[in-house]
Amino acid sequence: NAGVTQTPKFQVLKTGQSMTLQCAQDMNHNSMYWYRQDPGMGLRLIYYSASEGTTDKGEVPNGYNVSRLNKREFSLRLESAAPSQTSVYFCASTLDRDVGGYTFGSGTRLTVV
Amino acid sequence: ILNVEQSPQSLHVQEGDSTNFTCSFPSSNFYALHWYRWETAKSPEALFVMTLNGDEKKKGRISATLNTKEGYSYLYIKGSQPEDSATYLCAFPDNTDKLIFGTGTRLQVFP
Repeated sequence: NAGVTQTPKFQVLKTGQSMTLQCAQDMNHNSMYWYRQDPGMGLRLIYYSASEGTTDKGEVPNGYNVSRLNKREFSLRLESAAPSQTSVYFCASTLDRDVGGYTFGSGTRLTVV
Repeated sequence: ILNVEQSPQSLHVQEGDSTNFTCSFPSSNFYALHWYRWETAKSPEALFVMTLNGDEKKKGRISATLNTKEGYSYLYIKGSQPEDSATYLCAFPDNTDKLIFGTGTRLQVFP
């Protein structure tokens, strides 16, 4: 009963490097989300995918791209990392948001130096 | 962008105290109000999703009420325990299906 699995848990990048954060859920959820969490800012939505094959921008999409590879997987890519992207990233999914709420992954702590 | 406000920002209580905190949200075009519990070094977990004015939900010692007309929800913890220490988030979906989170109330319960 894995729920939402995020990899990696920790990552340090140099400015300008690229990387992909992986997220997979095994609950047959339709909707998936990427959030970032910064001190004093709360969770802010980067991108989301309401269903397989669709993606939409959230509140802070600049510097990121996403891919909904299939129903299970939703990846977040940083093409050219910047120090401002140092944050904790959470993936979440839901079958019916306003019934069961979101299920979150355990987070990825990313530091860009 | 809709604003979801939580107060207080942080709260320190003794074990056994009861406590409550507030989430304020826009009262127009209400869809639902979510509460999440977020323990340090873990991920947020859904506590309640409330959809009806006057709704009251309970899980153990934690309960929540909802007033959609005036745009607020209260979360109550009865007889706080150290394991209740966490950040409690509320969230409100906007009209484009995005969940907007408040910045949370950080609760610390001292033995």
